[in-house]
Amino acid sequence: DAKTTQPPSMDCAEGRAANLPCNHSTISGNEYVYWYRQIHSQGPQYIIHGLKNNETNEMASLIITEDRKSSTLILPHATLRDTAVYYCIVRAAYNNNDMRFGAGTRLTVKP
Amino acid sequence: DTEVTQTPKHLVMGMTNKKSLKCEQHMGHRAMYWYKQKAKKPPELMFVYSYEKLSINESVPSRFSPECPNSSLLNLHLHALQPEDSALYLCASSQSPSGSYNEQFFGPGTRLTVL
Repeated sequence: DAKTTQPPSMDCAEGRAANLPCNHSTISGNEYVYWYRQIHSQGPQYIIHGLKNNETNEMASLIITEDRKSSTLILPHATLRDTAVYYCIVRAAYNNNDMRFGAGTRLTVKP
Repeated sequence: DTEVTQTPKHLVMGMTNKKSLKCEQHMGHRAMYWYKQKAKKPPELMFVYSYEKLSINESVPSRFSPECPNSSLLNLHLHALQPEDSALYLCASSQSPSGSYNEQFFGPGTRLTVL
């Protein structure tokens, strides 16, 4: 079973920040938080990952709470092309085999 | 070359047919994966190959038979499938089976329809 809980759907206005939450209250010390997204009919795409510090790359920012029980993926200026299903995944660093996708959040960016 | 390719894009087969799905990557990755994704559901892990050896089989029926001929290629042989096996089959690869910087790169998938 997936170790994460995400809202099933969210809307965001184009050009605004999209903040996607994820709960992972049972995360253990050696587990990372990964985010992937899947645009309709394509393969999933890696976005970002982190352990306990906040992370930023060219696509997004990842904010992890101090107790590590939840995190937020931030798309700073959402575009229509960011409409996708976003998956938050928790997995141990030593075990890339443990990629369990939850139901994800369907983000719709509206003009 | 930073992509995973999958062929064919679409496949329609009967329940008595034998077919194969092919996946290829030239990123030097040593771990490769097969996932199955039903409509409106998340991907489900089927098989994992680490250094060309099968390391994980997630209780997949024997009518699905994976093969890793070399470090760049991954096949999924299909035989006597059922209509409920119709799905999007995704292949992925990662630099190695473990480590914190081992994001998986996914191919576009093969959409399989079993009649």
